Amino acid sequence: DTGVSQDPRHKITKRGQNVTFRCDPISEHNRLYWYRQTLGQGPEFLTYFQNEAQLEKSRLLSDRFSAERPKGSFSTLEIQRTEQGDSAMYLCASSPPAGRLTDTQYFGPGTRLTVL
Amino acid sequence: GNSVTQMEGPVTLSEEAFLTINCTYTATGYPSLFWYVQYPGEGLQLLLKATKADDKGSNKGFEATYRKETTSFHLEKGSVQVSDSAVYFCALSGTSGSRLTFGEGTQLTVNP
Repeated sequence: DTGVSQDPRHKITKRGQNVTFRCDPISEHNRLYWYRQTLGQGPEFLTYFQNEAQLEKSRLLSDRFSAERPKGSFSTLEIQRTEQGDSAMYLCASSPPAGRLTDTQYFGPGTRLTVL
Repeated sequence: GNSVTQMEGPVTLSEEAFLTINCTYTATGYPSLFWYVQYPGEGLQLLLKATKADDKGSNKGFEATYRKETTSFHLEKGSVQVSDSAVYFCALSGTSGSRLTFGEGTQLTVNP
């Protein structure tokens, strides 16, 4: 397994611009998650896909945020009209098909967003 | 809702000291419990997990036991190394495949 990959690793943008992040999960993992981590805090859940279906969204995911997983493989997270409060590390994780012994989520290295 | 509380940090130890990082949780049903570790500039790595009461997770000398009666999952290591310096997160998953709920993390620094 090559692990979960995320691109870009770092993004600096100006307030009001749109940004898009990509996540490639471990192959054959049908579940994909996005989290946001601010400095000194634990990750907070944003959204969850099973295959191409978006099954759960946090109230943290305002209408400026949208996530897609069009073919059930990679996923994108877009933030429109970025605000300084969006500055954070955006983490992607994937896990194998459902089963009590396989609920481990494997994380990518994250995309660090800085909004100036 | 689900929540995880970790001991307030940071923690600073000398090499070969004993480590305990406390973690307690609130959840309905029977959650799975996890410890993740985050090294500087990197994503989270699974350290160990336990899926039912009285299970003990272990890896790289670290251990944690799922205690349902005290709703705890404390992380321990008998002899820490400088390379263990990192941030440690306790987390729970309410049901298989569901979101992870994390604690705030504990920064561990091990000095030679």
